[in-house]
Amino acid sequence: QVQRQQWGAGVLKPSETLSLTCAVYGGSSSHYFWTWIRQSPGKGLDWIGEINRSGSTNYNPSLKSRVTISLRTSKNEFALKLSSVTAADTAIYYCAAFDKGAYYFEYWGPGTLITVSP
Amino acid sequence: QSALTQPPSASGSPGQSVTISCTGTNNDVGGYNFVSWYQHHPDKAPKLIIYEVNKRPSGVPSRFSGSKSGNTASLTVSGLQAEDEADYYCTSYTDTHNFDVVFGGGTKLTVL
Repeated sequence: QVQRQQWGAGVLKPSETLSLTCAVYGGSSSHYFWTWIRQSPGKGLDWIGEINRSGSTNYNPSLKSRVTISLRTSKNEFALKLSSVTAADTAIYYCAAFDKGAYYFEYWGPGTLITVSP
Repeated sequence: QSALTQPPSASGSPGQSVTISCTGTNNDVGGYNFVSWYQHHPDKAPKLIIYEVNKRPSGVPSRFSGSKSGNTASLTVSGLQAEDEADYYCTSYTDTHNFDVVFGGGTKLTVL
């Protein structure tokens, strides 16, 4: 079974950079696309972007100019950076393992609440 | 506004059955059998309960079932139990975005 943990600073000021890391270990994790998803207060889920084991990335066009997802294969970790945050970026951020064969998120991280406040 | 439409709430008494709908278009739900459902308890990681419309991952109770008709997919929870109270989200493969899936807005299931 794939285990995952995620961590990062929980409170940011406007214009700062959000930084989160997700660690994945156990199971057959090499075939997944590793994904970041967020849920703003009182709203649904938004897809942020993904990265595969080769380091190929794909981003939501609405966030593309501010998002970077990177891989640290030696540590089985992948990271999210979101620059120039505003209050609209306040959300719970999840990492998830996406199976591109059948298009579902097989595993999710526990989520990290990020609050952007002056 | 989410791409897939779910009712914001649903409810039922213990032992009853409840069905949650997820409506999309021919470009997602109606065109492909790649609908999945997730159960999300507060402060926990979302959990996959249905994939490919009606398949259950190992360990998911058979009380959870999925189906699809046209552009609408459905999740049915039979024999409701207190622990089924949670938010439920649907997703579907889509051929109209530069990313693969679209999400429903979520349905809060209350066990009365």
